[in-house]
Amino acid sequence: NAGVTQTPKFRVLKTGQSMTLLCAQDMNHEYMYWYRQDPGMGLRLIHYSVGEGTTAKGEVPDGYNVSRLKKQNFLLGLESAAPSQTSVYFCASKQPNTEAFFGQGTRLTVV
Amino acid sequence: DQQVKQNSPSLSVQEGRISILNCDYTNSMFDYFLWYKKYPAEGPTFLISISSIKDKNEDGRFTVFLNKSAKHLSLHIVPSQPGDSAVYFCAASGSSGGSNYKLTFGKGTLLTVNP
Repeated sequence: NAGVTQTPKFRVLKTGQSMTLLCAQDMNHEYMYWYRQDPGMGLRLIHYSVGEGTTAKGEVPDGYNVSRLKKQNFLLGLESAAPSQTSVYFCASKQPNTEAFFGQGTRLTVV
Repeated sequence: DQQVKQNSPSLSVQEGRISILNCDYTNSMFDYFLWYKKYPAEGPTFLISISSIKDKNEDGRFTVFLNKSAKHLSLHIVPSQPGDSAVYFCAASGSSGGSNYKLTFGKGTLLTVNP
């Protein structure tokens, strides 16, 4: 049972480049989330989805877009990467009123 | 505005003693609280949770206490072990409506357990 899988695990981008981070979960969870973790800032919510075909903004959505075309996948896109988006990104999924399960993280560096 | 606050960035304890990690929240709609543990280069893992209908939940060495009137919760680890050294995040959500969807995290407390 894989749980929550994030692809890729590491990436270096140049400023202005685009990329997509993929999150896949095999637990049939309704809700999915993208967080970023920065030193001293904890986990901040970027975007989330409460079901297939739905997305909503979190605390820090600017510069990111998301899509949830299939229930098991939640994609996070950066259209034009900036150094301020250097961070560790975590995907999570859960059912209502339960704990969230996290992926292993994607370490992104924008130079 | 931070809705979940962990005011101690770090805590150091001796092996075998009690570790107490604290968390405060401001949103009165929160009624489900969780603690996560995070090792470097790994994703957060769920540790223990508590619903607002309880004031205590215990799981082995880990106990979470909730004081709703003070909007405060704490995680007690007894006895502390070196393997408990990690960052601990407090998180909160509501159980109805829009607040049910999101899980809001504090900034974390780095616990170091010294042998």
